[in-house]
Amino acid sequence: DGGITQSPKYLFRKEGQNVTLSCEQNLNHDAMYWYRQDPGQGLRLIYYSQIVNDFQKGDIAEGYSVSREKKESFPLTVTSAQKNPTAFYLCASSPGYNEQFFGPGTRLTVL
Amino acid sequence: GENVEQHPSTLSVQEGDSAVIKCTYSDSASNYFPWYKQELGKRPQLIIDIRSNVGEKKDQRIAVTLNKTAKHFSLHITETQPEDSAVYFCAAIVGTGRRALTFGSGTRLQVQP
Repeated sequence: DGGITQSPKYLFRKEGQNVTLSCEQNLNHDAMYWYRQDPGQGLRLIYYSQIVNDFQKGDIAEGYSVSREKKESFPLTVTSAQKNPTAFYLCASSPGYNEQFFGPGTRLTVL
Repeated sequence: GENVEQHPSTLSVQEGDSAVIKCTYSDSASNYFPWYKQELGKRPQLIIDIRSNVGEKKDQRIAVTLNKTAKHFSLHITETQPEDSAVYFCAAIVGTGRRALTFGSGTRLQVQP
């Protein structure tokens, strides 16, 4: 777990602004994932990437965008099209497509 | 659609008792079933997992059982302790071509001292 970092820990956004959440891993994992967690809820998949320069939509991709230009990095942009972005965002990585290890999360609040 | 259902949503036990959480999945091709523990405000931590070629796996006080025919798997915690109090999530890879975990909705376990 210590090899996956997310920044910032807390993020505040005004309505209409795009914000980018950082996720970095030094575990040499091929696969990376973004999940959203709302209070008292489970984890919902936003996007995932199995290899550099390739990614797939998850269950709730609308209003979000990602890039995977480097193996170590998988940033998530929350766009103004995401109507209710306040949530806890978790990044994960995996050496294959089984075990996933999570970063510490970013808590995004829309003001 | 393809999903993972988890029950119960909340579970309260006395310290020393056992706790059981159950999940069902829809995709018969699923072959990997992890369990995560999440403490308040923290990241989910993998506590145990099982693959479809075995029916049970144990790690100290924690065990997971898998019934592939019935498409369900369960987490068993014995001799519960207050520090076991957390939210537990099951997961599976479901859906053709999908190579990411789908999570259950979570079980809040409270161990009463």
